[in-house]
Amino acid sequence: ETGVTQTPRHLVMGMTNKKSLKCEQHLGHNAMYWYKQSAKKPLELMFVYNFKEQTENNSVPSRFSPECPNSSHLFLHLHTLQPEDSALYLCASSQGSQGNTEAFFGQGTRLTVV
Amino acid sequence: AQKITQTQPGMFVQEKEAVTLDCTYDTSDPSYGLFWYKQPSSGEMIFLIYQGSYDQQNATEGRYSLNFQKARKSANLVISASQLGDSAMYFCAMREGPENSGGSNYKLTFGKGTLLTVNP
Repeated sequence: ETGVTQTPRHLVMGMTNKKSLKCEQHLGHNAMYWYKQSAKKPLELMFVYNFKEQTENNSVPSRFSPECPNSSHLFLHLHTLQPEDSALYLCASSQGSQGNTEAFFGQGTRLTVV
Repeated sequence: AQKITQTQPGMFVQEKEAVTLDCTYDTSDPSYGLFWYKQPSSGEMIFLIYQGSYDQQNATEGRYSLNFQKARKSANLVISASQLGDSAMYFCAMREGPENSGGSNYKLTFGKGTLLTVNP
């Protein structure tokens, strides 16, 4: 069982809907991340949170709004998305003080915008 | 310019044989780390192996080994004795900055991946 849990696993939403993706990690890590994986493109880092503070916003459109209420939970709030936002959204966490340790990933949320 | 290049979109290997997946990287930072992840069809990214830029020896983890050639900026993954369950996408990734930077400096840049198919 993965230490990083993402819900829902699949989501279909219309362009006018508002939905949220949830990520929870049980590993005691300090840092959490959102990545976007589109077909035929490398994983793209979207946001980084370190000790609940956002430390990186990789030029992500404002229709994606992250929230990190504590070090164990990370949300991605979605509104007025576009069809090109359809992708696999992966959450990850890492032990922030040790850069030589791996990031642990969740199984992702496969998002389809119709 | 791409920081991580995986030139093999797809690879095929016979069960029980070894296979090498290529990865080259580009960085001017003297401190960096290289990772390989496996992504099966379920979507989860599974960590396989890590190599730090100052590590003197090539990393090994069970059937996985990393052929690290620093001067050539390559970090190829070698899988020995392939198994059917090894069929998946494989991603090479790089973290730039010292190992103790962590937190906001711990950002992984991924390559486009290689789809490995193990044939029975």
